[in-house]
Amino acid sequence: AQKVTQAQTEISVVEKEDVTLDCVYETRDTTYYLFWYKQPPSGELVFLIRRNSFDEQNEISGRYSWNFQKSTSSFNFTITASQVVDSAVYFCALSDITGGGNKLTFGTGTQLKVEL
Amino acid sequence: DAGITQSPRHKVTETGTPVTLRCHQTENHRYMYWYRQDPGHGLRLIHYSYGVKDTDKGEVSDGYSVSRSKTEDFLLTLESATSSQTSVYFCAISESGGGLAAFFGQGTRLTVV
Repeated sequence: AQKVTQAQTEISVVEKEDVTLDCVYETRDTTYYLFWYKQPPSGELVFLIRRNSFDEQNEISGRYSWNFQKSTSSFNFTITASQVVDSAVYFCALSDITGGGNKLTFGTGTQLKVEL
Repeated sequence: DAGITQSPRHKVTETGTPVTLRCHQTENHRYMYWYRQDPGHGLRLIHYSYGVKDTDKGEVSDGYSVSRSKTEDFLLTLESATSSQTSVYFCAISESGGGLAAFFGQGTRLTVV
């Protein structure tokens, strides 16, 4: 069975601080995909990034960066110079692609609060 | 933004009544999914569809049924609503091929009283 653990339930930071959200996953599949989604207070789910199991390159997009390490089964997300608009719940998810499609197993989410 | 519309957006219903939630997409994606979101659980897969009339169960399918008679519509039915089905329900879509990102609708908040 697949499992995603986001041990940090809630993180509070002051604006401009850097913050890292942790994600640890379990799977027996050799091919899999990992995702991060953002859920702002308005409630919608916003796709942030997709990473496949064969690509361990770190990725940077503006203030966001992701560190994927297969050796520790982790896919951590860092926000540099956080802003109030980053306040949201962030979900890490792991795909099950058997039969095609993309069935996701989600972590329980990390609530990030960025204060002035 | 992906063209996904969920209806209704909010619903209050009584225990024991049937309820149907609708997901409509304009992207012509093959795969559609229903998830529920509950505090402490993240999102959990209820049912999914891999084509017209092709559906399968997810992790928390008990008490739910689905139907997909057209590519663009995926219906979720609570056969006899219970208070434990009070939740936020999200529909998602993804293109063919494993691992492509799933895009989510705005969610439906269902309260069973």
